Amino acid sequence: DSGVTQTPKHLITATGQRVTLRCSPRSGDLSVYWYQQSLDQGLQFLIQYYNGEERAKGNILERFSAQQFPDLHSELNLSSLELGDSALYFCASSVEVSGELFFGEGSRLTVL
Amino acid sequence: AQSVTQLDSHVSVSEGTPVLLRCNYSSSYSPSLFWYVQHPNKGLQLLLKYTSAATLVKGINGFEAEFKKSETSFHLTKPSAHMSDAAEYFCVVSERTGGFKTIFGAGTRLFVKA
Repeated sequence: DSGVTQTPKHLITATGQRVTLRCSPRSGDLSVYWYQQSLDQGLQFLIQYYNGEERAKGNILERFSAQQFPDLHSELNLSSLELGDSALYFCASSVEVSGELFFGEGSRLTVL
Repeated sequence: AQSVTQLDSHVSVSEGTPVLLRCNYSSSYSPSLFWYVQHPNKGLQLLLKYTSAATLVKGINGFEAEFKKSETSFHLTKPSAHMSDAAEYFCVVSERTGGFKTIFGAGTRLFVKA
């Protein structure tokens, strides 16, 4: 158990809809990262937050947004969903001392 | 610029034989290097990490990796493969540039034959 909790584990929705994925980092970790993993794209970095502020941005679509709250949990919002958004979405956290990331089990999103 | 290249997308070995998963990196600074393993439908788990201490790093499940600065390599090895080692392995480079910038390799899928 990495200590990173993601909900929901599975989510099925329709095109055009909006979903929110939630992540609770390990106790004491200030950084939260979001990754998307699909068969054709592999593991893609989306965005990083550090203590409530956006730190780095990767290949995140404009339809996607994220935030980190004062209690350090984070949410990834995906809107106007398309079939191609079907993927595993991982959250990771770190203390930013050595760059080591601790991953959650992921949220599997299926868009029909 | 920071980058990481896993030289093999797939590696197949027989149970009981050695495993070698190759990783080359480039970094402008003294990097931290990691190997993660991902079993099917699971999250990524840290196997081992190098953070400028000993160049030979031992990890979990009998895996180890050697940091070779002259070759800019961080290959992952295991003397004897087990069926449970079948998974995807990611080499990761992380360097401090303000915060930490972390780059994942494309992954190597390890198949273990009985």
